[in-house]
Amino acid sequence: QQQVKQSPQSLIVQKGGISIINCAYENTAFDYFPWYQQFPGKGPALLIAIRPDVSEKKEGRFTISFNKSAKQFSLHIMDSQPGDSATYFCAAMNAGNMLTFGGGTRLMVKP
Amino acid sequence: DTAVSQTPKYLVTQMGNDKSIKCEQNLGHDTMYWYKQDSKKFLKIMFSYNNKELIINETVPNRFSPKSPDKAHLNLHINSLELGDSAVYFCASSLEGREGYTFGSGTRLTVV
Repeated sequence: QQQVKQSPQSLIVQKGGISIINCAYENTAFDYFPWYQQFPGKGPALLIAIRPDVSEKKEGRFTISFNKSAKQFSLHIMDSQPGDSATYFCAAMNAGNMLTFGGGTRLMVKP
Repeated sequence: DTAVSQTPKYLVTQMGNDKSIKCEQNLGHDTMYWYKQDSKKFLKIMFSYNNKELIINETVPNRFSPKSPDKAHLNLHINSLELGDSAVYFCASSLEGREGYTFGSGTRLTVV
């Protein structure tokens, strides 16, 4: 059973555009929702994270929007750049501290 | 200095062999993990070790066994390798199981 569902699987955005990746979760015990960025040949790296007591968190060009009632959260990348081209994973963590990942989104930003 | 380092980076081996992947972290973290990333990029947790105790073990075949000689190391030993074991294996660590996992660069295992 996939506890965190991520969409789309792939995304192509023009330079300067907004990239939006969505995730939905099922387990209401999840209380921490990070996003990871993975470049080819590298491990996932923490990008930004949010807890369910806030509806939005912004760090530079990256923003997480969180909807607790809908059990959904999303990553917005403003002014997308070619260097943002990577695979993005949403994840969720429960009280047992196990990080469960979504299926990943391959983002390509065209110059 | 690399925070979480894995060796080897690439491993090609024949079916039926036994192999080990090593992981070391220098972050002072007390919890370490192994994740498997399949060809579709899906990341699935395999093991978690905290203070030398196995605290999470997903539905992983018993051919896979984690071994932790100390808090800074968590090695993955695989017996009787199968074609389906081909994947990228990532080691990660955290402090007290909290957020902020740090991942290694991965070991690409190919079983032929």
